[in-house]
Amino acid sequence: DAGVTQSPTHLIKTRGQQVTLRCSPKSGHDTVSWYQQALGQGPQFIFQYYEEEERQRGNFPDRFSGHQFPNYSSELNVNALLLGDSALYLCASSLNRGLSGNTIYFGEGSWLTVV
Amino acid sequence: GQQLNQSPQSMFIQEGEDVSMNCTSSSIFNTWLWYKQDPGEGPVLLIALYKAGELTSNGRLTAQFGITRKDSFLNISASIPSDVGIYFCAGQNARQLTFGSGTQLTVLP
Repeated sequence: DAGVTQSPTHLIKTRGQQVTLRCSPKSGHDTVSWYQQALGQGPQFIFQYYEEEERQRGNFPDRFSGHQFPNYSSELNVNALLLGDSALYLCASSLNRGLSGNTIYFGEGSWLTVV
Repeated sequence: GQQLNQSPQSMFIQEGEDVSMNCTSSSIFNTWLWYKQDPGEGPVLLIALYKAGELTSNGRLTAQFGITRKDSFLNISASIPSDVGIYFCAGQNARQLTFGSGTQLTVLP
């Protein structure tokens, strides 16, 4: 049973560039969320996708966008990269069961460094 | 962004000692979760709590969901070297998790 898988593991981008990160949820899960974790802090919620639509968003600018595919996998896109976007980006998957009892599992993350 | 108040920020303990850490919030949560994160990896779920007042154990770990739904604690008994890492609490409402800032645990031999 595959867990949550993310790619790439590490990448380096230049300010102003765009990046795409990918995630495959845990087998049987249909909901994907993305979190940003800056060094020394807890993860911060970016947004969640279900049924190929963004259904909740955290306090992140429109430069952060995403997509969910029919097979439930997801992409996170960040445009016009800033130095402050350097962080570990975590994908989390869960099974949609209403608003409670949705145990959330995380991938190992994609380390993004913006120079 | 919002983070929960997690304490202590770091702990240095001797192997075999018990550990306690806690999390408080000004907001009510429907679910409390505790995760452990090792360097370079994503958070791994340790315990999930779904009801106010619930006390749940997972091996040497015990966690409780506060009766006010605004707090939770995690205890680790008889610590071992592999307990080293960063422990995060997280409160869940609707579709997102709000995390604490983490407790860095170091276990000394």
